[in-house]
Amino acid sequence: EAGVTQFPSHSVIEKGQTVTLRCDPISGHDNLYWYRRVMGKEIKFLLHFVKESKQDESGMPNNRFLAERTGGTYSTLKVQPAELEDSGVYFCASSPLLAGGYNEQFFGPGTRLTVL
Amino acid sequence: AQSVTQPDIHITVSEGASLELRCNYSYGATPYLFWYVQSPGQGLQLLLKYFSGDTLVQGIKGFEAEFKRSQSSFNLRKPSVHWSDAAEYFCAVERGGADGLTFGKGTHLIIQP
Repeated sequence: EAGVTQFPSHSVIEKGQTVTLRCDPISGHDNLYWYRRVMGKEIKFLLHFVKESKQDESGMPNNRFLAERTGGTYSTLKVQPAELEDSGVYFCASSPLLAGGYNEQFFGPGTRLTVL
Repeated sequence: AQSVTQPDIHITVSEGASLELRCNYSYGATPYLFWYVQSPGQGLQLLLKYFSGDTLVQGIKGFEAEFKRSQSSFNLRKPSVHWSDAAEYFCAVERGGADGLTFGKGTHLIIQP
């Protein structure tokens, strides 16, 4: 079974440009999460989808970030326009939607974004 | 708001020696507690988790962790490390259900031959 995949693995862009990151969750996982790790800092939660709906977007840093999950399958995270402080590693995770208990989040390898 | 502290940024251990990575959390109630490991080029892999019950939990790859409510700690241990354990380790908490995780800053584990 394929794990969580993310594309691209690396992206280098200039300040002011637009970048779109993609995440393909494990097939059948309705929960999808985005996280970000800025250099030297902890991994921070950005938002959570349940199917195509945003369940919690309290961690999104500002309105330059737009996440979508049309059809409830893959998700994209667009940064427009990118700023220097957006550099970091963006992780995606998914988990099944099961009743009760905790559903383990499975993480992708991340996309390393560098804004010059 | 909940927070997680991993006081050691780097730890160096000789192969075969024992290991303890520290984690302290701040949260009003007992959260769900996790340890993840990230090897170079890989995603985060769950080592173990604590929800309730026995405070000593066993995980994969020979790791264990002990929840101590009085100290708000959830330290990770391994009796004998292998060179393949070299990686970055993250402690995390969650309020419950399917919420997002709150992570510590991570600890780099370096294994000396």
